[in-house]
Amino acid sequence: EDKVVQSPLSLVVHEGDTVTLNCSYEVTNFRSLLWYKQEKKAPTFLFMLTSSGIEKKSGRLSSILDKKELFSILNITATQTGDSAVYLCGGGSEKLVFGKGTKLTVNP
Amino acid sequence: GAVVSQHPSWVICKSGTSVKIECRSLDFQATTMFWYRQFPKQSLMLMATSNEGSKATYEQGVEKDKFLINHASLTLSTLTVTSAHPEDSSFYICSAPLFSTDNSPLHFGNGTRLTVT
Repeated sequence: EDKVVQSPLSLVVHEGDTVTLNCSYEVTNFRSLLWYKQEKKAPTFLFMLTSSGIEKKSGRLSSILDKKELFSILNITATQTGDSAVYLCGGGSEKLVFGKGTKLTVNP
Repeated sequence: GAVVSQHPSWVICKSGTSVKIECRSLDFQATTMFWYRQFPKQSLMLMATSNEGSKATYEQGVEKDKFLINHASLTLSTLTVTSAHPEDSSFYICSAPLFSTDNSPLHFGNGTRLTVT
């Protein structure tokens, strides 16, 4: 059975801290791993990773995929209160299997 | 701006009635759309894959006669929850790949909060 496991399930930090969110996967027909940020409603797309070892970066966020060890991490540096959200990772091909998410709370 | 539009945002209905949720791709065509359900503090659970011009593909454990999916055009998929019961109360969300290539990221609608009383 396909599964995606995220850790930690929740995380509380102070502004300015750096956080690392983890995502491990066991998915048949794996082609890519995607990270999303979900605030109140729709998840918004952050990154899509298809190749091992290539870091993708967008501002203070970065992510990398390890296809040998079947995991990915999402890093957020210099966190801000606006980063507070649930971060979801999903793996698969056309159909994605999602983890339960990591709820990040950034306190001022 | 949003690339996938979902309507309505929230709906309250009485037990036994049916509710239709629309998912539209804006400015792009989507031969495939995906319907998810999300319970509080849970992940997105794929319910079914909506295929334009053909039958939807349902995930194991999802009743196809209860959750009717119609993908009548390249920009519209609908999910109808028939004879809704309180346990169907959930957050329903659709997504569509922006491109037709295999590795296109999915874009999500804003979701529909369904409450069945």
